[in-house]
Amino acid sequence: QSALTQPASVSGSPGQSITISCTGTSSDVGAYKYVSWYQQHPGKAPKLIIYEVSNRPSGVSNRFSGSKSGNTASLTISGLQAEDEADYYCKSHTSSDTLLFGGGTKLTVL
Amino acid sequence: EVQLVESGGGLVQPGGSLRLSCVVSGFTFSTYWMHWVRQAPGKGLVWVSRIHGDGSSTIYADSVKGRFTISRDNAKNTLYLQMNSLRAEDMAVYYCARFSDGGGDFWGQGTLVTVSS
Repeated sequence: QSALTQPASVSGSPGQSITISCTGTSSDVGAYKYVSWYQQHPGKAPKLIIYEVSNRPSGVSNRFSGSKSGNTASLTISGLQAEDEADYYCKSHTSSDTLLFGGGTKLTVL
Repeated sequence: EVQLVESGGGLVQPGGSLRLSCVVSGFTFSTYWMHWVRQAPGKGLVWVSRIHGDGSSTIYADSVKGRFTISRDNAKNTLYLQMNSLRAEDMAVYYCARFSDGGGDFWGQGTLVTVSS
């Protein structure tokens, strides 16, 4: 199964907001509330930043927010900070009872 | 404190086999589905497999079906991934992970599998 579609890269200046999209199908993103987002810094394990489309785990900054419309989920990071520079991945449950990750988006803070 | 610690990675020739282990602590292991996720060098995350808490149900990505076997020993709080017929494209860091409702996600630090002659 092909990965969910994310832009390969996005960039923004400190203080700005950026949005990363994650496009799937009616068999994955469009069908379930189980869409998560992960942040991964080089050489580190991924860290959950959004679960069930729009919920933040305890300890995650409220600068991170998630949403979904149809087959596309989105992650918005507001008030960009240098430490936000990382790779970001979406993940969705699928109708085959598997999990599917997005291809990943590299965020550069200019 | 929840901890997941993988081991068993290393260098293996194409066509060879390797068994990964993941020892967990800090939660009731037997009550959770557990997963393996891999990441090839410089590439994205790819889900590999998952297993029900009691081991009764397993699911695999198409890319590893028939070659990899996920299992668990709840008495030892340990998750396994038996990898056979390894290919160059299986080379990756392999993470064990717990994904649960309500944001209860935990990942290990990963173990590197290198497939090369």
